Amino acid sequence: DAKTTQPPSMDCAEGRAANLPCNHSTISGNEYVYWYRQIHSQGPQYIIHGLKNNETNEMASLIITEDRKSSTLILPHATLRDTAVYYCIVRADNYGQNFVFGPGTRLSVLP
Amino acid sequence: GAVVSQHPSWVICKSGTSVKIECRSLDFQATTMFWYRQFPKQSLMLMATSNEGSKATYEQGVEKDKFLINHASLTLSTLTVTSAHPEDSSFYICSAPLRSGYNEQFFGPGTRLTVL
Repeated sequence: DAKTTQPPSMDCAEGRAANLPCNHSTISGNEYVYWYRQIHSQGPQYIIHGLKNNETNEMASLIITEDRKSSTLILPHATLRDTAVYYCIVRADNYGQNFVFGPGTRLSVLP
Repeated sequence: GAVVSQHPSWVICKSGTSVKIECRSLDFQATTMFWYRQFPKQSLMLMATSNEGSKATYEQGVEKDKFLINHASLTLSTLTVTSAHPEDSSFYICSAPLRSGYNEQFFGPGTRLTVL
């Protein structure tokens, strides 16, 4: 799986958009970009994933650059409950393949 | 989305005892499940891959005789920490992939093990 690079920590004001970047310059053509988050003492929670098109769901938006070497997760209106560690993972779409977690970005949403 | 449960959610045991942790896929079948371990302020590290009907595959450095894995059915995998010691204290998380168009993977809520 391709390696990802994320900033170790970020702050965001409550109600503002949180933009979390991820670099994955060695991503392969068959690898998807996944985002998970982990709230303290809980299991990781799926947020969104995409291949090359931008994606949006009820939780977030995922913007992938045209060359696919980087992406941004956008939480449009961050709340205090969005405080968590956010993991960007690139992975081929293979059943039976695990996820490789990096250190992620610790997002702190401030009141 | 699909649900993966773990039991117990936390356990405290004495050094030298064995502890069993269950991972269940509640509304889907999983021929493969993954076991991760997470120490404080660190990321998740894969310990082993549990395969229904065959032996588990362990990551380098993980003792298979200490961390026994049994994938008893298509919805249940168990991790037994044998002769637990304080250094085994950690947060254990399982996950299971849902065979679908995107092979999404769902994680359990985790089990916190504290060995005294």
